Amino acid sequence: QVQLLESGPGLVKPSQTLSLTCTVSGGSIRSSGYYWSWIRQHPGKGLELIGYIYYSGSTYYNPSLKSRVIISVDTSNNQFSLKLSSVTAADTAVYYCARAGNCSGGGCYSGFDYWGQGTLVTVSS
Amino acid sequence: ERVMTQSPATLSVSPGERATLSCRASQSVSSNLAWYQQKPGQAPRLLIYGASTRATGVPARFSGSGSETEFTLTISSLQSEDFAVYYCQQSNNWPYTFGQGTKLEIK
Repeated sequence: QVQLLESGPGLVKPSQTLSLTCTVSGGSIRSSGYYWSWIRQHPGKGLELIGYIYYSGSTYYNPSLKSRVIISVDTSNNQFSLKLSSVTAADTAVYYCARAGNCSGGGCYSGFDYWGQGTLVTVSS
Repeated sequence: ERVMTQSPATLSVSPGERATLSCRASQSVSSNLAWYQQKPGQAPRLLIYGASTRATGVPARFSGSGSETEFTLTISSLQSEDFAVYYCQQSNNWPYTFGQGTKLEIK
């Protein structure tokens, strides 16, 4: 059973960089056909895909956040990470890591089948 | 960007009855549509992908249908554990986008 667990600071100051790591257990991040994703949910709101990464390092970012986002992968530790720069209060949200399945050519067609529990990140001075 | 619009925003249904939730795409997403269930304080759970394929372990009372721009999630006989928020999500065009959700509440 694949499990994902987010970790990182729960409080970030405005203008600083939000950094989160997702640790994958019960399966290899090098498995073919999966992209490893970051999704966020503003308080009481819907879901927004930030981007995802393949174990090779290939990334896709949401254009609305692309200028501020870096997603990276550490295959030796079965982890992937999110960095979001120049944060404001609008970046306060629950951040989830998730696995996207049945991926080929950059597209993934079986939904996000495994999710972390989510971590609340608050942007405040 | 494909905009996904769900209706209604809130649906009140009695246990044992059928619930029908709708999702409309601003442009065709073919059959690249998934449904998720989210309960308070939990991560979303994948229910349906490919518009109509149930994910592993999802009960048969959940079914999905539709293509192109119109999709439906049907729960045939509501159980107490089904009352939650449901989201649709398209994976036909980047960036993948979610609907705003339908809250299914007990009548």
